[in-house]
Amino acid sequence: GAVVSQHPSRVICKSGTSVKIECRSLDFQATTMFWYRQFPKQSLMLMATSNEGSKATYEQGVEKDKFLINHASLTLSTLTVTSAHPEDSSFYICSARDLELGRETQYFGPGTRLLVL
Amino acid sequence: RKEVEQDPGPFNVPEGATVAFNCTYSNSASQSFFWYRQDCRKEPKLLMSVYSSGNEDGRFTAQLNRASQYISLLIRDSKLSDSATYLCVVRGLYNQGGKLIFGQGTELSVKP
Repeated sequence: GAVVSQHPSRVICKSGTSVKIECRSLDFQATTMFWYRQFPKQSLMLMATSNEGSKATYEQGVEKDKFLINHASLTLSTLTVTSAHPEDSSFYICSARDLELGRETQYFGPGTRLLVL
Repeated sequence: RKEVEQDPGPFNVPEGATVAFNCTYSNSASQSFFWYRQDCRKEPKLLMSVYSSGNEDGRFTAQLNRASQYISLLIRDSKLSDSATYLCVVRGLYNQGGKLIFGQGTELSVKP
């Protein structure tokens, strides 16, 4: 089946640094990818919709200048957490939308666990 | 009101029990519904889609009541391996970009 990868799987960084997370669709082209964040004991919250070749669409309350999204190709979207703070520590998950054969299926990456010290 | 609401849980059941999860959604125009399963510290994985006529996949049965805006998941003969968090998911409308909207999840723990 379709596979979506994320890198890194986990990262620990100091407060104030920037962290880049990559999301790749491995065997299909994804014009749309989604970035979610999940805090402990809570559900996934959509942060932004990443569209290949255009600007991302951010959900209300998500700072676009802090969470930079780039979707430069049909198989890669990146999320950069700029000037990370401890409250940004979370589980970040991407998903990629596959529109093959008229079906619409979203496949999730394995997630990236970020810890900001 | 949250767009998708679920039973708070957790549900602690013995092996072999039947357990039911409920979910309500706020937008009556929603068209697509799903149940996802999420294991601890892992990404969510699609368990099954929910169709208007109801559908079954082995021990799992999903039902949709559009009039009440209510979705359910029934697990029969529960196994230890069913222990996970079950997420009710609704696909947003086209003008919402078709994004998936997740409920907060219901934790299930199946005990020997």
